[in-house]
Amino acid sequence: EDQVTQSPEALRLQEGESSSLNCSYTVSGLRGLFWYRQDPGKGPEFLFTLYSAGEEKEKERLKATLTKKESFLHITAPKPEDSATYLCAGGSMDSNYQLIWGAGTKLIIKP
Amino acid sequence: DAEITQSPRHKITETGRQVTLACHQTWNHNNMFWYRQDLGHGLRLIHYSYGVQDTNKGEVSDGYSVSRSNTEDLPLTLESAASSQTSVYFCATSRAGQETQYFGPGTRLLVL
Repeated sequence: EDQVTQSPEALRLQEGESSSLNCSYTVSGLRGLFWYRQDPGKGPEFLFTLYSAGEEKEKERLKATLTKKESFLHITAPKPEDSATYLCAGGSMDSNYQLIWGAGTKLIIKP
Repeated sequence: DAEITQSPRHKITETGRQVTLACHQTWNHNNMFWYRQDLGHGLRLIHYSYGVQDTNKGEVSDGYSVSRSNTEDLPLTLESAASSQTSVYFCATSRAGQETQYFGPGTRLLVL
C-alpha cells in the first residue's frame, strides 16, 4: 500500500537555527514528490515538485532534496515567518493523478 | 488572476440537514478534488472529477456526493449532516495529466 510518513510531527526552532523535515515514502512508480506550505486557516500552498533521486530545488531559505526512499526539506537560518505546517505528498503511477498525503510537520520558529 | 473560491467560508448546521459547499475555479483545470482535513488525519480525499460529467469516490466518500455540470464548479453535498462530518473542507484543482494541485481557502463546517 502506498504511504507517505512525515517526521517529526512538530518542530520548534529558534530564529536562525537550521534544521530538516523528513518525508519517507513507499509509493509505487513515483510520479513526483510534492511539498506544500499551509498557514493556519488557509489552504495548502504549492512549494516544490521533485521527480528523481538526487534532484534538489530551492526557494529562499528552503531546499528540498529527494532520495529513493525519502525527501528532506532543509530550512536554513529560518525566520518567524517560516512558521507553518509543511505537507508532503507523493504521486503514483497507479493513482491516476491523485496524491498520497503525509500528515504534516508543524514548524514553529521563535524570535 | 485565476483563482479557486469556496463558499461559505464558515458554516454551522444541525445533524440531519442537507448542506452544499461550493467550489468555483477560474484556472480552467480539468481535475477537481474535495478533501477534508482533521487533526491527526491530514488530508483525506472525498470525491474527485477529471472533467464534466465525471465523478469518482475517494477514500472517505460515505455521506457525501458531488456533480460536475461544467468545468468551473464542483459542489460537495452532505446528504444528511452528521457530527462526524465536522471538519475543514478543501477544494483543489489540477491540469489534465498533471499531479500538482492548487487549493482553495477552505470551508470550516460545524455540525451540531
